[in-house]
Amino acid sequence: QSVLTQPPSVSGAPGQRVTISCTGSSSNIGAGYDVHWFQQLPGTAPKLLIYTNNNLPSGVPDRFSGSKSGTSASLAITGLQAEDEADYYCQSYDSKLSGSRIFGGGTKLTVL
Amino acid sequence: QVQLQESGPGLVKPSETLSLTCSVSGDSISSGSYYWSWIRQSPGKGLEWIGFIHYSGFTKYNPSLKSRVTISVDTSKNQFSLRLSSVTGADTAVYYCARDSPSYSSGWYSDTWGQGTLVTVSS
Repeated sequence: QSVLTQPPSVSGAPGQRVTISCTGSSSNIGAGYDVHWFQQLPGTAPKLLIYTNNNLPSGVPDRFSGSKSGTSASLAITGLQAEDEADYYCQSYDSKLSGSRIFGGGTKLTVL
Repeated sequence: QVQLQESGPGLVKPSETLSLTCSVSGDSISSGSYYWSWIRQSPGKGLEWIGFIHYSGFTKYNPSLKSRVTISVDTSKNQFSLRLSSVTGADTAVYYCARDSPSYSSGWYSDTWGQGTLVTVSS
């Protein structure tokens, strides 16, 4: 059971917009810790997708965006493409775990 | 462009010590700007942060693994290493090494990852 809760799966048709939630608590996201997002394509290592809540690394399409409010964060993908089919993970920190880094359980995105 | 590559045995016996090394190219561990992490992913499961190290030797570990983990750095070889003792089947996972950048207000995030190496714990 992950401290950060993500939906196990989401899906959308090409061209649509999907969002993936990352729900935490007052000891992690709600405490002000930043949230980062990673994309893991099948059989590959995770790749940084969003850093510090809403920043895109160089090379990441602006179809991806992140937001954070209260004890939750969200990843939005617009103009969905087949190549976006992957697992997505959020990451933050938790003060109740000695400030340890924590990950969400991951969300499988299926492009219909 | 920084690259990281994990190396080490793919099979470890129960109760023994898992040892992995991460070789860094395209950046110097001694630059001091980054921390260097180990992260693992059990088959079909999510990600678990193991710990990180700074070139100065400062380390921080996941409390759930702290009693069994040692991360060390060899700046002369531009490498850092992981040792996990008393392994069991629950330690079977793909182990990734990564470079960590500081977040604006708090904590760190892994901006570059190695390809990962599968370590199986079995007799």
